[in-house]
Amino acid sequence: DGGITQSPKYLFRKEGQNVTLSCEQNLNHDAMYWYRQDPGQGLRLIYYSQIVNDFQKGDIAEGYSVSREKKESFPLTVTSAQKNPTAFYLCATVDRTNYGYTFGSGTRLTVV
Amino acid sequence: AQSVTQLGSHVSVSEGALVLLRCNYSSSVPPYLFWYVQYPNQGLQLLLKYTSAATLVKGINGFEAEFKKSETSFHLTKPSAHMSDAAEYFCAVSGRIKAAGNKLTFGGGTRVLVKP
Repeated sequence: DGGITQSPKYLFRKEGQNVTLSCEQNLNHDAMYWYRQDPGQGLRLIYYSQIVNDFQKGDIAEGYSVSREKKESFPLTVTSAQKNPTAFYLCATVDRTNYGYTFGSGTRLTVV
Repeated sequence: AQSVTQLGSHVSVSEGALVLLRCNYSSSVPPYLFWYVQYPNQGLQLLLKYTSAATLVKGINGFEAEFKKSETSFHLTKPSAHMSDAAEYFCAVSGRIKAAGNKLTFGGGTRVLVKP
């Protein structure tokens, strides 16, 4: 079955460390997105990419970085510059033929 | 710019009662509208979407929503709540312009509690 795989499901980070969250899709969708979810705030867009080797900042990009070297992969790095990284992170793609968005199962990041 | 407001961060309903979740949006052009459900520590599952066909949209699990342009609303309803409907629900809007990235903008979410 086609879908999105996010790994790991749970991630613990020490203060001052960079960590990378993985997002892989086999849906052959061009556009991919990273969202951050905090309780009571809905989902907020971090970065998105519409095509390989191109990506754009979302609403809360500070302290994050991404790459898009392959169509299937859109990893998110949470850098030490992100002051409050503890959150649930969701990756998504969109099928532009029918505006069908698909979400991964998420990664819960905790700073310890 | 587009935005979404969900009225009520928590809703409590009795099993068998009507579920009504309110969503209002702001968009400079007619948007696409979505309702998603999320269970704890999981991703989002699509309930239904409006993409400018019929204004009354039927989704999965007995949910439906009506697009009302004059009220800029897209409220979600289900006639009879089931215990399995306990979850968090998100309304979202997407722009139609590919060059703008087709980004989804979400409301703050409404957590539904179903009482036996």
